[in-house]
Amino acid sequence: GAVVSQHPSRVICKSGTSVKIECRSLDFQATTMFWYRQFPKQSLMLMATSNEGSKATYEQGVEKDKFLINHASLTLSTLTVTSAHPEDSSFYICSARNLDGRSGANVLTFGAGSRLTVL
Amino acid sequence: KQEVTQIPAALSVPEGENLVLNCSFTDSAIYNLQWFRQDPGKGLTSLLLIQSSQREQTSGRLNASLDKSSGRSTLYIAASQPGDSATYLCAVWRVGQFYFGTGTSLTVIP
Repeated sequence: GAVVSQHPSRVICKSGTSVKIECRSLDFQATTMFWYRQFPKQSLMLMATSNEGSKATYEQGVEKDKFLINHASLTLSTLTVTSAHPEDSSFYICSARNLDGRSGANVLTFGAGSRLTVL
Repeated sequence: KQEVTQIPAALSVPEGENLVLNCSFTDSAIYNLQWFRQDPGKGLTSLLLIQSSQREQTSGRLNASLDKSSGRSTLYIAASQPGDSATYLCAVWRVGQFYFGTGTSLTVIP
């Protein structure tokens, strides 16, 4: 089945540094990927939609200069948290949209998530 | 805007019980609905996909139903096991975007 690899799974950084998280579709091409943020015991909050070859679409309230998204190829999207601060500490999850093999319906395949801790 | 609600927010049952998780959505014009499972600190694993033209899907001990007209889906788990303990989320696909429910945290007590 479809697999999405997300790396790193955990990262600890100092305040003011930038952190890059990668999301790769391993066995399919993903023209669309999504980036989510999840706070403890809460559901997923969509941050942005990443489209290959074009600019990402950010949700209201998400700072595009703070969370840089690049989708340079059909199998890779990256999220860079620039000048990270402690309030950016969170669990970030990516997903890729692909087609279900049997039905042809749009489905989501998720990465394992990245735990960011900013000291 | 599509809103997706899951009830209950948390559920605790003894091992072996059958249980039902509920998912409600406000806009019935959806293309499909997916049920996911999330273990603590992990990503989401897809459990079942129901297309808008379907009524239900089954996988092992899991059965998901969909009633578009009433904006509801249920996930039925038979003979629950401690390994089923996780958070379950539903998501509906509509007009280029997935909308997620608030999740149900399930604990199965041995």
